[in-house]
Amino acid sequence: DQQVKQNSPSLSVQEGRISILNCDYTNSMFDYFLWYKKYPAEGPTFLISISSIKDKNEDGRFTVFLNKSAKHLSLHIVPSQPGDSAVYFCAARGTGNQFYFGTGTSLTVIP
Amino acid sequence: KAGVTQTPRYLIKTRGQQVTLSCSPISGHRSVSWYQQTPGQGLQFLFEYFSETQRNKGNFPGRFSGRQFSNSRSEMNVSTLELGDSALYLCASSLTLQGAYGYTFGSGTRLTVV
Repeated sequence: DQQVKQNSPSLSVQEGRISILNCDYTNSMFDYFLWYKKYPAEGPTFLISISSIKDKNEDGRFTVFLNKSAKHLSLHIVPSQPGDSAVYFCAARGTGNQFYFGTGTSLTVIP
Repeated sequence: KAGVTQTPRYLIKTRGQQVTLSCSPISGHRSVSWYQQTPGQGLQFLFEYFSETQRNKGNFPGRFSGRQFSNSRSEMNVSTLELGDSALYLCASSLTLQGAYGYTFGSGTRLTVV
């Protein structure tokens, strides 16, 4: 049973525009959320995180928004660059420190 | 500093065989987690080790086991391989058990069972 879902397998965005990647979760006990970026033939790389006590966290071009009532997480990338093209995974931490990952969204930034 | 190192990068095994994968975490990291990545399933958590003790376990059969050594290096073993075990196996290390600063992943071991 997938507790963290990324319903869009892929997304294409023009360079310079905003990329919005979405993530939904089912378990209200999740207390920490992370986004990872993965290039082909490499392991995922930690990107940004947010605690459940916050609703926004910003790091340069990357902003993560958390809507706890909707159990929804999103990652905004502004402006998008071709080097951002990768697969993005969201992850949520549950009880016992176990992390649950989504299935990933493949982002393509078109020059 | 060196990242997380996983060996081997690629493996082909036959059904029924067993396999051992190795992971060397970032120096100083004491937590090592293992994940299985398959198309359509994302990353599925296998287990996490901290200070040579398994601290957490996902929903995988007992054929999947692991251990951690005193130098924090970890091995994962899969016995009686099945075709469905074909996947990318990722190891991730973290300074602490909480993973508050995220995990650093290795590049993975691609296992193919034929």
